[in-house]
Amino acid sequence: AQKVTQVQTEISVVEKEDVTLDCVYETRDTTYYLFWYKQPPSGELVFLIRRNSFDDQNEISGRYSWNFQKSTSSFNFTITASQVVDSAVYFCALTLSEAVGGGTASKLTFGTGTRLQVTL
Amino acid sequence: DTGVSQDPRHKITKRGQNVTFRCDPISEHNRLYWYRQTLGQGPEFLTYFQNEAQLEKSRLLSDRFSAERPKGSFSTLEIQRTEQGDSAMYLCASSPRPGEQYFGPGTRLTVT
Repeated sequence: AQKVTQVQTEISVVEKEDVTLDCVYETRDTTYYLFWYKQPPSGELVFLIRRNSFDDQNEISGRYSWNFQKSTSSFNFTITASQVVDSAVYFCALTLSEAVGGGTASKLTFGTGTRLQVTL
Repeated sequence: DTGVSQDPRHKITKRGQNVTFRCDPISEHNRLYWYRQTLGQGPEFLTYFQNEAQLEKSRLLSDRFSAERPKGSFSTLEIQRTEQGDSAMYLCASSPRPGEQYFGPGTRLTVT
């Protein structure tokens, strides 16, 4: 079974600070996808990134960056120069490759989320 | 708007009543998922359709829950004899291929 752990339940920062959200995952499979989603107060889950387990490259997108460390089963998310609009709950999620799951996989297993509050 | 839509957005019902939610996926997405999210938790998988076939159901989906996707397009989730523990956000997601899921705005259910 898969498991995703986000130990930080809530983080508060002042605008322009950098912040890192931690994510640790467990799976016995070697082929999987990792995700980060943002859930603003409106409730809709907004896709941020997908990472394939075979792709060791870290990724940067504007103020967002992701650090994938297979050796420690972590997929951490950093926001640089945070802004008030970044305030939301952030979820890390895992899904197996459909080839592994036999066609019925690819359901997402989510962590419990980290609530980020950015203040002025 | 070509995203996933859900209806209603909010539903308040009394315990014991039946409720039905609808999800319209992104056009031509053959995969459709339902998740449930309770306060302070991440979404939990309920069920999965590929076209009109329901291929997987979570143990969370008790006998009071039923989901359909009759023509492989929209889907409905029905809860019979609602209980207070059913209060949650019900999220629908559609997907064109493995590893990509696009979520709708959710239906927030409150059972009084």
